[in-house]
Amino acid sequence: NAGVTQTPKFQVLKTGQSMTLQCAQDMNHEYMSWYRQDPGMGLRLIHYSVGAGITDQGEVPNGYNVSRSTTEDFPLRLLSAAPSQTSVYFCASRGRFDFTEAFFGQGTRLTVV
Amino acid sequence: KQEVTQIPAALSVPEGENLVLNCSFTDSAIYNLQWFRQDPGKGLTSLLLIQSSQREQTSGRLNASLDKSSGRSTLYIAASQPGDSATYLCALSRDSNYQLIWGAGTKLIIKP
Repeated sequence: NAGVTQTPKFQVLKTGQSMTLQCAQDMNHEYMSWYRQDPGMGLRLIHYSVGAGITDQGEVPNGYNVSRSTTEDFPLRLLSAAPSQTSVYFCASRGRFDFTEAFFGQGTRLTVV
Repeated sequence: KQEVTQIPAALSVPEGENLVLNCSFTDSAIYNLQWFRQDPGKGLTSLLLIQSSQREQTSGRLNASLDKSSGRSTLYIAASQPGDSATYLCALSRDSNYQLIWGAGTKLIIKP
């Protein structure tokens, strides 16, 4: 049972480059989301999805795109990387009902130079 | 706007002590609250989930309580061990959609 799988674990980008962070879950969870974690701050929600074909913006969506073509996958795209996007990114998933806990991937440490 | 605060930011205690980590929030209209553990360079592991209608949840040496009227949740760790050293984060959900609002965490060090 793999849970939530994120790739890559580490990435260095040059300013202006684009890339996609991959996230996949095998628990048939409806809800998926992307967070970024910066030092001294709590996690901040970037985008989330409540089901295939449905996405919405979180607290800090600028500079990021998402899509949800399948229940399993929820990729995060950085359109034109900026140093301010240097962070650790986490993908999470949860089932529909309120008593289900959230499961997180291992994170992607992204550095933009 | 809902804000979640965890104080202290860091805590160091000798092995064997019982300890309490605090999480406070400004709006009592929450859906549920979850405690997580984060080890350096690792992802987050869910420890306990408390529904808004519940007062506490227990798992092994861990007990989490929720008092919505005072805007507080506590995570009680009994008989602490060096392996408990990690950062502990609380996060709450304000509705049935997946939007967690996070505290900045408490970094816990258990000294052998």
